[in-house]
Amino acid sequence: GAVVSQHPSWVICKSGTSVKIECRSLDFQATTMFWYRQFPKQSLMLMATSNEGSKATYEQGVEKDKFLINHASLTLSTLTVTSAHPEDSSFYICSAQQRGGYEQYFGPGTRLTVT
Amino acid sequence: ILNVEQSPQSLHVQEGDSTNFTCSFPSSNFYALHWYRWETAKSPEALFVMTLNGDEKKKGRISATLNTKEGYSYLYIKGSQPEDSATYLCAFISGGYNKLIFGAGTRLAVHP
Repeated sequence: GAVVSQHPSWVICKSGTSVKIECRSLDFQATTMFWYRQFPKQSLMLMATSNEGSKATYEQGVEKDKFLINHASLTLSTLTVTSAHPEDSSFYICSAQQRGGYEQYFGPGTRLTVT
Repeated sequence: ILNVEQSPQSLHVQEGDSTNFTCSFPSSNFYALHWYRWETAKSPEALFVMTLNGDEKKKGRISATLNTKEGYSYLYIKGSQPEDSATYLCAFISGGYNKLIFGAGTRLAVHP
């Protein structure tokens, strides 16, 4: 139980294009989803928290117009990196949380490379 | 700024060795500490959620302890096996906030 998938697992895109990453909870309803980013040899850093049907709450220093988050259903959240630049190249990973729960269940992550 | 430190950064041990690593976190306003095991190309897997000072939890050969007053947790692996090779992450939750603050992890390699 508590499986979270992410798609794609890796993506290469050209500078200036946009990329969408999907995060799905497969066997439970996720009222809250989290998006993290990890640069090499660094910690997972929380980018934003989204509650189903609400606007995402972004962490300090994360541009909300650049990283668009949509959590339109209880099983799907998407992260769109708009006008990607090489410095956006990173590992992006999502997690999902059930209503009233404290555990976060993670997806396997997406490696984004912007050329 | 809340900071979570893990040491060592990486560790190489022989099969059968016992090992342990450390997670340090702010001792004030503690709510919970999570341990995750993360194998390459897979999702991080929750090992333990620890909330009480003095907590000690065990799952098979892996155990963890918690000291909230001094702000540290230890993860122990008894009789390491090659399948224990993974990155072990700890994450701290401060009271009143529903968000995990991660350490950079300890990468464990167990050699046959």
